[in-house]
Amino acid sequence: DGGITQSPKYLFRKEGQNVTLSCEQNLNHDAMYWYRQDPGQGLRLIYYSQIVNDFQKGDIAEGYSVSREKKESFPLTVTSAQKNPTAFYLCASSIYRTGSAHQPQHFGDGTRLSIL
Amino acid sequence: DQQVKQNSPSLSVQEGRISILNCDYTNSMFDYFLWYKKYPAEGPTFLISISSIKDKNEDGRFTVFLNKSAKHLSLHIVPSQPGDSAVYFCAALRGAQKLVFGQGTRLTINP
Repeated sequence: DGGITQSPKYLFRKEGQNVTLSCEQNLNHDAMYWYRQDPGQGLRLIYYSQIVNDFQKGDIAEGYSVSREKKESFPLTVTSAQKNPTAFYLCASSIYRTGSAHQPQHFGDGTRLSIL
Repeated sequence: DQQVKQNSPSLSVQEGRISILNCDYTNSMFDYFLWYKKYPAEGPTFLISISSIKDKNEDGRFTVFLNKSAKHLSLHIVPSQPGDSAVYFCAALRGAQKLVFGQGTRLTINP
């Protein structure tokens, strides 16, 4: 079945450590996104990538880094510079065509990151 | 700067009745508005969308209304079913693919 796989589902990190969240999709989607959700808040965009080897900062990119070496994969690294990393992280993907304004984003089931 | 707001954190509706979820926005440049449904420990699922040039879009039990002068949109679910109990997010599209989400409204359908 086509879909988006995020792993692991739960992740624990010690203070000062970097941690990488995995996101893989087999939908042949061009664009991929990372969001963060905090309790009582909506999803906030961290980074997005419209094509391989290119990505842009979203609204809250500080303390995060990404790579897009393959179309199927868009890993997110939460660095030690991120002061409040405890959150629910969601990866999404969509078709991307220039001039096409609306392609629904499809989401994975998320990774919950907690600080030990 | 909250560009998309859902002012009701929760809503409780009797099964079979209409559920109305509301959303307000501040940016007139949004091109599309979308509703997503989210169950606990899962990612959001796309439900329905509306172009900024329309005022209504219907899909089965779900209808979205857009009032551009009031910068307000609403999602109507009728009749409401127990499986509709979830958190609903309103989102607005700016630029090619960037979504801005509201805070979400938790809908509970009571039997």
